[in-house]
Amino acid sequence: GNSVTQMEGPVTLSEEAFLTINCTYTATGYPSLFWYVQYPGEGLQLLLKATKADDKGSNKGFEATYRKETTSFHLEKGSVQVSDSAVYFCALSVLTGANNLFFGTGTRLTVIP
Amino acid sequence: GAVVSQHPSWVICKSGTSVKIECRSLDFQATTMFWYRQFPKQSLMLMATSNEGSKATYEQGVEKDKFLINHASLTLSTLTVTSAHPEDSSFYICSASGGISSYNEQFFGPGTRLTVL
Repeated sequence: GNSVTQMEGPVTLSEEAFLTINCTYTATGYPSLFWYVQYPGEGLQLLLKATKADDKGSNKGFEATYRKETTSFHLEKGSVQVSDSAVYFCALSVLTGANNLFFGTGTRLTVIP
Repeated sequence: GAVVSQHPSWVICKSGTSVKIECRSLDFQATTMFWYRQFPKQSLMLMATSNEGSKATYEQGVEKDKFLINHASLTLSTLTVTSAHPEDSSFYICSASGGISSYNEQFFGPGTRLTVL
């Protein structure tokens, strides 16, 4: 079946630290992969995506590379800021477009000054 | 960007009553809306998909008579939890897509926390 496993949180980092949130997946087809972010009191927002193997999605200093050989899509940022504090969700879709999303459990990140 | 709102943001009700949650796309026409449910420390679980003007498609295991979904216009979908019980307490999130991005991106509302006493 289709599923996403992501690293459990919560994760607490100091400002300017390096961030990695692990995400692995299983899929019945050839999935597109996504990272969503949910800031306090807001809806989920698309952070970045990748639609084929070896693609690198990037946005706001975050990046993730679609690794087919390891079925992974780890999220990284070189230097986190307090404003990055949020819950991050890894997700996949196996249909054209994003109309059938499978989510991981979410990882709460807290960045302290 | 595309904005989706939900109302109410939280609701507390007595067991046996019905609760309606609204999901609105504020600045685009949503041909498709999705309803998710999220339990603490768990994934978002898709409950149903609705297209404007037609009946919702429910995921396996979701009771359609319990969770009534109406998508009467291109900017509004409602989820009614009928005869709510404590086990229905959860965080309900809607999303909407309308072809405003190249791959039908879903835009999410902020969620509604339902507590049934």
